[in-house]
Amino acid sequence: AAGVIQSPRHLIKEKRETATLKCYPIPRHDTVYWYQQGPGQDPQFLISFYEKMQSDKGSIPDRFSAQQFSDYHSELNMSSLELGDSALYFCASSLDSDRGYTFGSGTRLTVV
Amino acid sequence: GQQLNQSPQSMFIQEGEDVSMNCTSSSIFNTWLWYKQDPGEGPVLLIALYKAGELTSNGRLTAQFGITRKDSFLNISASIPSDVGIYFCAGPSVYNQGGKLIFGQGTELSVKP
Repeated sequence: AAGVIQSPRHLIKEKRETATLKCYPIPRHDTVYWYQQGPGQDPQFLISFYEKMQSDKGSIPDRFSAQQFSDYHSELNMSSLELGDSALYFCASSLDSDRGYTFGSGTRLTVV
Repeated sequence: GQQLNQSPQSMFIQEGEDVSMNCTSSSIFNTWLWYKQDPGEGPVLLIALYKAGELTSNGRLTAQFGITRKDSFLNISASIPSDVGIYFCAGPSVYNQGGKLIFGQGTELSVKP
């Protein structure tokens, strides 16, 4: 069965650089979520999109932005990167959020 | 906002032992979800619970949705080394349409062969 695809799996950037993370949801899933997980932390909600429109926003810095495209893939853009942005970034998709999400394998971002 | 309190934070057990972890909240949830996360990977859904009082099994895993809708537990029987990982309880926020998941703090399970 198709899963949620995230790219890249690993990314190393320097401070003040920009990064773009991509997410390809499961076909026919209409909602995409982005989460950030620091070391030893539980995943923290960043932002979600339903049918290409932003549906909810969590603890997402102003330096970050995201969008969902016509083919339902989503991108998380991160600018002016800081050391504290180093984390695992997960994308998840769902057709019915009450039935649970399917998570991607994540992108590990390291800012040096 | 809603919060989930998960315990214990970590467990060290011997292979073959049973394990129990639980999650509580001061507010109700309409769905309880249990995920397992391996290092460097995304969380994988283990069990989903939709009705208060519901008891659901998935192989050696059993989970229950508390009657008050404010708690849930996950049991793992006859643990094996591949059960190692972090287990999270989670539930969709009831306060908005976006359905974002609220996560517990996680229970890190170590299994000694």
